[in-house]
Amino acid sequence: QKEVEQNSGPLSVPEGAIASLNCTYSDRGSQSFFWYRQYSGKSPELIMFIYSNGDKEDGRFTAQLNKASQYVSLLIRDSQPSDSATYLCAVDRNQGGKLIFGQGTELSVKP
Amino acid sequence: DTEVTQTPKHLVMGMTNKKSLKCEQHMGHRAMYWYKQKAKKPPELMFVYSYEKLSINESVPSRFSPECPNSSLLNLHLHALQPEDSALYLCASSQGQRDEKLFFGSGTQLSVL
Repeated sequence: QKEVEQNSGPLSVPEGAIASLNCTYSDRGSQSFFWYRQYSGKSPELIMFIYSNGDKEDGRFTAQLNKASQYVSLLIRDSQPSDSATYLCAVDRNQGGKLIFGQGTELSVKP
Repeated sequence: DTEVTQTPKHLVMGMTNKKSLKCEQHMGHRAMYWYKQKAKKPPELMFVYSYEKLSINESVPSRFSPECPNSSLLNLHLHALQPEDSALYLCASSQGQRDEKLFFGSGTQLSVL
């Protein structure tokens, strides 16, 4: 079992829809969870982080964390073509500095 | 200044060459990282420096040699690389090693011939 698993996609949604990206992790000791966005040919950019169970909202983005079920998700409301990118879920190993990245989910938002 | 600057952006080298990748940040961050990323794959951690000291080496081959001359600079010295080392090399920084909100540089696309 991979430490951090994501559906590779591609996930295709129409413009204006909600995109839902999911991630599961295996280490119950993980405390910090991150979502990075990576456009093709560019470097990853942090868009959300969450430490506590529940929802965290920032603009059109909502991160959801359920530690009991060991999953974290990212919702993108009112999806725009500019949201088309690969979204990387990252989880700490509770060892300071060791983030484990999932394989990434490629999102395509169609006009 | 919220940027991590990497040079060069592109590098082509032969297997017998010696080259260096450079990374600079002026955000006052005390942790700096080297990641390697192959196409369509996630970034893989190589090294972590915390307060200018090497704290994590993810069993990286010795042909990769990191250096942190001061709190703003991070280098990666390359020697006798193999074609399979061709990848995007990403530098990142964070406020501290326990703060994993990483700021990535734009990367160096390395090709080893």
